[in-house]
Amino acid sequence: EDQVTQSPEALRLQEGESSSLNCSYTVSGLRGLFWYRQDPGKGPEFLFTLYSAGEEKEKERLKATLTKKESFLHITAPKPEDSATYLCAVHRLLTGGGNKLTFGTGTQLKVEL
Amino acid sequence: EAQVTQNPRYLITVTGKKLTVTCSQNMNHEYMSWYRQDPGLGLRQIYYSMNVEVTDKGDVPEGYKVSRKEKRNFPLILESPSPNQTSLYFCASSLFGGTRTGELFFGEGSRLTVL
Repeated sequence: EDQVTQSPEALRLQEGESSSLNCSYTVSGLRGLFWYRQDPGKGPEFLFTLYSAGEEKEKERLKATLTKKESFLHITAPKPEDSATYLCAVHRLLTGGGNKLTFGTGTQLKVEL
Repeated sequence: EAQVTQNPRYLITVTGKKLTVTCSQNMNHEYMSWYRQDPGLGLRQIYYSMNVEVTDKGDVPEGYKVSRKEKRNFPLILESPSPNQTSLYFCASSLFGGTRTGELFFGEGSRLTVL
């Protein structure tokens, strides 16, 4: 069974204090790993796709990396507007051609002044 | 503006009273999906559709039905709602199939309470 575990569950940072969020996964035949941001009362917003170990993607203060067992979302010099819940999800194909996306439960990030 | 629109956004109903949550996207996406989000359990897929008239079960399909008669619409039907279907529901769509299926565009969510 596919498993996605995110840690920590919650993280409180001071503005400018860099840190990393972790997404570890167990999936057979990974087709892609996705990062999302979710603000309170909103639907998740797509951030990055990573396909293979060693791949990196960047957007503003965020950088996502991927290994064979986990992904990290690095946040450099965060600002209060980066406060949100960050979700990761893994994708694989099912026998017969269907798709399976499995989400983690997220890391709730709060950045304080 | 590109968007996924869900209705209703909030609903309180009673056990057994059939309801439909509508979902419409204006991006000409082929892939659409329904999720429920519960504290501690994360997002779990209910049903998905790769194209018109093609639907398949996700991880938690029991108690739900869907249909995909048009590309833009993907309603979620609860024939006989029960309290364990109280949840936050999200509709999502994707332009890309294959390996980019997970690049989803989500609606704002529908909070459903079943008494």
